[in-house]
Amino acid sequence: GNSVTQMEGPVTLSEEAFLTINCTYTATGYPSLFWYVQYPGEGLQLLLKATKADDKGSNKGFEATYRKETTSFHLEKGSVQVSDSAVYFCALSEENTNAGKSTFGDGTTLTVKP
Amino acid sequence: NAGVTQTPKFQVLKTGQSMTLQCAQDMNHEYMSWYRQDPGMGLRLIHYSVGAGITDQGEVPNGYNVSRSTTEDFPLRLLSAAPSQTSVYFCASTYASRHPKQGQDYGYTFGSGTRLTVV
Repeated sequence: GNSVTQMEGPVTLSEEAFLTINCTYTATGYPSLFWYVQYPGEGLQLLLKATKADDKGSNKGFEATYRKETTSFHLEKGSVQVSDSAVYFCALSEENTNAGKSTFGDGTTLTVKP
Repeated sequence: NAGVTQTPKFQVLKTGQSMTLQCAQDMNHEYMSWYRQDPGMGLRLIHYSVGAGITDQGEVPNGYNVSRSTTEDFPLRLLSAAPSQTSVYFCASTYASRHPKQGQDYGYTFGSGTRLTVV
């Protein structure tokens, strides 16, 4: 079956530091890949996505590149802010299947200190 | 544009009680799903629907029922609440588009969640 593995947290960084959160996946074919962000007390929000190999998703300074050869979709940001403190989830949806059945990683908690 | 609306936000039940978690979306999305979120376990799919009148089981369906009589609504019913069902429940909806060269292209819109405690 499908699976998503994220780097374990929590991750604590100082403001303006470089962020990487690793995500690797197991799936058949060419799944779509997503990063979601969850702020305290809220639901998940779609942060970025990529639907085919070598695509780069980007939003709000965050980037992730779909690497088929390494089955990875690592999240990066060049300079984090305190407001980026949240839980980040990597997810996939398998190709040629019904939407609505995404597989999520366990989430990585990021805390950014001033 | 309200997006995905879940009610209630908080609920405490006694073991054996039943209740319905409501979910409504106003984006005309075909697909709707229910997930539960437990500490350290990410999100696990309970049930999902690919359209009105069509539902299917996800990873952890036992103890829950769903129905999809309209495109907008997708209620989740707890038949006889158990302490193991203490969790945060999220409803989500999505669309799907398929292009021959681009593959699937979609992403969830989530509700704000229902925090359920079963005592």
